[in-house]
This record gives sequence, structure tokens and C-alpha cells, in this order.
Amino acid sequence: AQSVTQLGSHVSVSEGALVLLRCNYSSSVPPYLFWYVQYPNQGLQLLLKYTTGATLVKGINGFEAEFKKSETSFHLTKPSAHMSDAAEYFCAVTGFQKLVFGTGTRLLVSP
Amino acid sequence: GAVVSQHPSRVICKSGTSVKIECRSLDFQATTMFWYRQFPKQSLMLMATSNEGSKATYEQGVEKDKFLINHASLTLSTLTVTSAHPEDSSFYICSARLGNIQYFGAGTRLSVL
Repeated sequence: AQSVTQLGSHVSVSEGALVLLRCNYSSSVPPYLFWYVQYPNQGLQLLLKYTTGATLVKGINGFEAEFKKSETSFHLTKPSAHMSDAAEYFCAVTGFQKLVFGTGTRLLVSP
Repeated sequence: GAVVSQHPSRVICKSGTSVKIECRSLDFQATTMFWYRQFPKQSLMLMATSNEGSKATYEQGVEKDKFLINHASLTLSTLTVTSAHPEDSSFYICSARLGNIQYFGAGTRLSVL
């Protein structure tokens, strides 16, 4: 079985500051890991994914995440936050068919 | 990236009526699509897995007769909320799988009066 824990339902940063959104997972099989972003009243947009290979993965809009098996983590980072990054972020894991989501982290960006 | 279109984006209906939501994969074929429900400020809850040409697989606690799913082609799945009631009001999101990745529609806001 798979599960995802996102630490912090809300994260607040200033524009230009580092963004760090935390995600820990549990999986009984080698995991595929994803980060999605959701803007208000919209669906989910894929930010980045880890399947196999390089553990540091780069995504859209300057985001990246590092798969750390020993820590069962897949934290999302961005060096410099923009106002447009304010949204809900979901970490997800899949082993076989189903995608299991974390509870989400709302990123707030202040000027 | 792959595009999934969901229609309508918003629907308001009277209690007791049925509502159909369409999910289309525009530039790829999807043998498997998924339907989720999202409550305000919460994560996505998987309702059912839709397989082309066969019956959908519903998650525990989801009423099959209330939420009818049809996946008649490799690019279209539909969700029909039958005899809708105010408690069915929610945000419904579909996704289509391509390889190991799920691509999501923009969601449908259903309001039942």
C-alpha cells in the first residue's frame, strides 16, 4: 500500500524567498512520485515526476524535487518564489494503478 | 504535455435531476480514466476507475447507482450524477492515464439547489 504525508497545510513565504514544501511517502513497492499544482477552481497540473534514474528532478516554473529513498522523502523546492506560485500543491505516489495524494499544502506568497 | 478536457466547467441543477460530465483526452488514447471528488480545502478522493469497454471499478463507499460511469471510447469517459441532491454538490475532477502519469481535467463545479 502507498501513502503520502505532507507536512504543513500552509506555508508562507515572501516573494524572492526559498520555497520548501515537504512530502514523505510510504510504499511497499518502488514508488513513482509526483508533485501537482492546483490553482483555484482548476484541475491539477503536473509540476514534476520521479520514476527511475536521476534522483533530482526538475519541473516546470523553476521547481525541483529530490527523491531520497533513505528518508522516504520527495520535498519540493524553488529558489525564489513568485507571486504567481501561490496555489495548492499536492504530492502523490503510485505503485500500481492508483494515485494516492497527500492532503495538500497551500503556498502563500507575500510581496 | 497531454491535454484532458472536462466539460462543463460549472453546472447548477435542481434537486432530483441528473447531470452528465464529460472527460476527453484530446491528444492521446486513454484506456484508463479516473474520477475524483474534491471537497473544499481538501485533497482529492478517488471515486472510481474507468476502463474502456468494461465496467468501472468503484471505491468503497461510492454508490454505483448514483454515480454512473461510461467509458465507451479510448478518448471519452462520462460521469452521470443521477437524481442529484444538495449533498452531491462538489468539485469533480477527471484524469486520464498516459503511461505512468495521470493528466487532469480542469474540473466541474456542481451545485445542486
